[in-house]
Amino acid sequence: DIQMTQSPSSLSASVGDRVTITCQASQDISNYLNWYQQKPGKAPKLLIYDASNLETGVPSRFSGSGSGTDFTFTISSLQPEDIATYYCQQYDNLPLIFGGGTKVEIK
Amino acid sequence: QVQLVQSGAEVKKPGASVKVSCKASGYTFTGYYMHWVRQAPGQGLEWMGWINPNSGGTNYAQKFQGRVTMTRDTSISTAYMELSRLRSDDTAVYYCARDLRIAVAAIPGPWGQGTLVTVSS
Repeated sequence: DIQMTQSPSSLSASVGDRVTITCQASQDISNYLNWYQQKPGKAPKLLIYDASNLETGVPSRFSGSGSGTDFTFTISSLQPEDIATYYCQQYDNLPLIFGGGTKVEIK
Repeated sequence: QVQLVQSGAEVKKPGASVKVSCKASGYTFTGYYMHWVRQAPGQGLEWMGWINPNSGGTNYAQKFQGRVTMTRDTSISTAYMELSRLRSDDTAVYYCARDLRIAVAAIPGPWGQGTLVTVSS
């Protein structure tokens, strides 16, 4: 199975800060990478698909980049409503694998 | 708009089975694969498999092979996930999630609200 390594596992930032999360695949997955947001007690929500495509209705402060094995997820200006855990997920091969998650908190 | 409404919480004893339903609306049920993903308390997301509602074809994660069965009833636009021989470490929230794209199984897009399954003696 492909392994997905996310870092950091948690971070604390101030409102307005730029936040960056990385995800590394154990092998080349091209751009077959998605990003999800999960707020406490809620279902995950797809934010970014195909590494860099913004899902409909998702604010433009969220973005994704990368290909191959290294990917980046960015919140350009952190807002209070962005408090959540973020997961990457590969779909190059089955089984679909999620990263371990990054918990984002407000400083 | 796409809606996935799951059945309510369940409490089961070890060794029993559980069947979770996911009723879809707002789109053509047979056009999109349905994924099942679970999340143990305080843990990350674990993909269990998918079902093609059109053909009934399935693909299960190896970890669940032999214990999981995914089915659908197209007449009522509902997908089901049944997990047998339950253990305490099967305690989790189980989600259904429709794929983002037609006839492709890759991107869990809209998700159901989740169903908590508790396995306890």
